Amino acid sequence: DAGITQSPRYKITETGRQVTLMCHQTWSHSYMFWYRQDLGHGLRLIYYSAAADITDKGEVPDGYVVSRSKTENFPLTLESATRSQTSVYFCASSGAGTVSFEQYFGPGTRLTVT
Amino acid sequence: KQEVTQIPAALSVPEGENLVLNCSFTDSAIYNLQWFRQDPGKGLTSLLLIQSSQREQTSGRLNASLDKSSGRSTLYIAASQPGDSATYLCAVGFSGGYNKLIFGAGTRLAVHP
Repeated sequence: DAGITQSPRYKITETGRQVTLMCHQTWSHSYMFWYRQDLGHGLRLIYYSAAADITDKGEVPDGYVVSRSKTENFPLTLESATRSQTSVYFCASSGAGTVSFEQYFGPGTRLTVT
Repeated sequence: KQEVTQIPAALSVPEGENLVLNCSFTDSAIYNLQWFRQDPGKGLTSLLLIQSSQREQTSGRLNASLDKSSGRSTLYIAASQPGDSATYLCAVGFSGGYNKLIFGAGTRLAVHP
């Protein structure tokens, strides 16, 4: 299906485990982003990527790792999950073909760390 | 620090009212501004995008305006309906920010019949 998808949609994991959240887009957008949404903090940028093999930190990158070997995929890894990383994670993309880099969001992944 | 503020935090109105949601930002050097809608437990749906060179954008009953010099944007919803009930988020792409968005906390809108 065309668009931007995230998997899994729901995940429960234990403290200390490694977790990878997947993001896939079919538009060949150059830019991709990871945000987290928390009550009281709103949406905050974790990492972003301007193109394959180009990534950079956002506002809250600690505890997270990203990679982008292919334009269409942008996985987010929690190396050792902590309870403070319980959140809803959104992936977004934008780039060539959009109107002035309009961002399109995936459906989100709800992650619970116990 | 670049910040985005939305007022009010919550709004409850009867069906049929015209209403205005406000968004302010601290730096006038912006690239674009997007308004999103978020239903409970769902993702973000883009409603309108205003480029920095534009003053307003319209889509159906929605109209968004931009005043860079005062650091403000408004989202006008005409003839509100219960289906408009959702959280509305304002997000600003600041110049030099590689298209990163900074979000406001949102306005939670309830339209009752």
